[in-house]
Amino acid sequence: NAGVTQTPKFQVLKTGQSMTLQCAQDMNHEYMSWYRQDPGMGLRLIHYSVGAGITDQGEVPNGYNVSRSTTEDFPLRLLSAAPSQTSVYFCASSPLSDFVNYGYTFGSGTRLTVV
Amino acid sequence: AQSVSQHNHHVILSEAASLELGCNYSYGGTVNLFWYVQYPGQHLQLLLKYFSGDPLVKGIKGFEAEFIKSKFSFNLRKPSVQWSDTAEYFCAVNSGSARQLTFGSGTQLTVLP
Repeated sequence: NAGVTQTPKFQVLKTGQSMTLQCAQDMNHEYMSWYRQDPGMGLRLIHYSVGAGITDQGEVPNGYNVSRSTTEDFPLRLLSAAPSQTSVYFCASSPLSDFVNYGYTFGSGTRLTVV
Repeated sequence: AQSVSQHNHHVILSEAASLELGCNYSYGGTVNLFWYVQYPGQHLQLLLKYFSGDPLVKGIKGFEAEFIKSKFSFNLRKPSVQWSDTAEYFCAVNSGSARQLTFGSGTQLTVLP
């Protein structure tokens, strides 16, 4: 089924470890983004991309890196995990040309715990 | 920078009660407005959206929302809630040519059977 696929669904990291959260979409959407969801704070934008080779920072980019080598994939890298990065991470995508009508398609999320 | 406020953090209703969840945004220009729902353990799904035209928007599952420009509000309503409506509801705004959505902090709705 077409959509946004995130892996892994759950992850526990030790402080200082690095890891990559994967996000892939098969809808040929130009726009992709990463959000983190924390209780009482809604969703906050980490990084986004409007196409292959183009990325930009969102509201809370510190401690995270992204790259966009293909239209389909938009991985999120944690360079040195900290307990403050314990959160649920959502990837979302949208077509640029019809964003208003289409909105976002969200992945199922990655629940990350940093101990 | 734009912001979105959802003042009701947790709402508890009995089945068949009417629902209204508040959403206010702080941006004076043209906006596109969305309501998303997140059922327990699931990802966010689009309930309804407004970008122009009739300020009363109807979405899925009997939900509707009214855009009141003078009040910077986009409140979500449902005449009669069901137990299956138990979820977290997020209001979001997009402005201008940007593609980013700014989300509110969410409202947890619990419907008692």
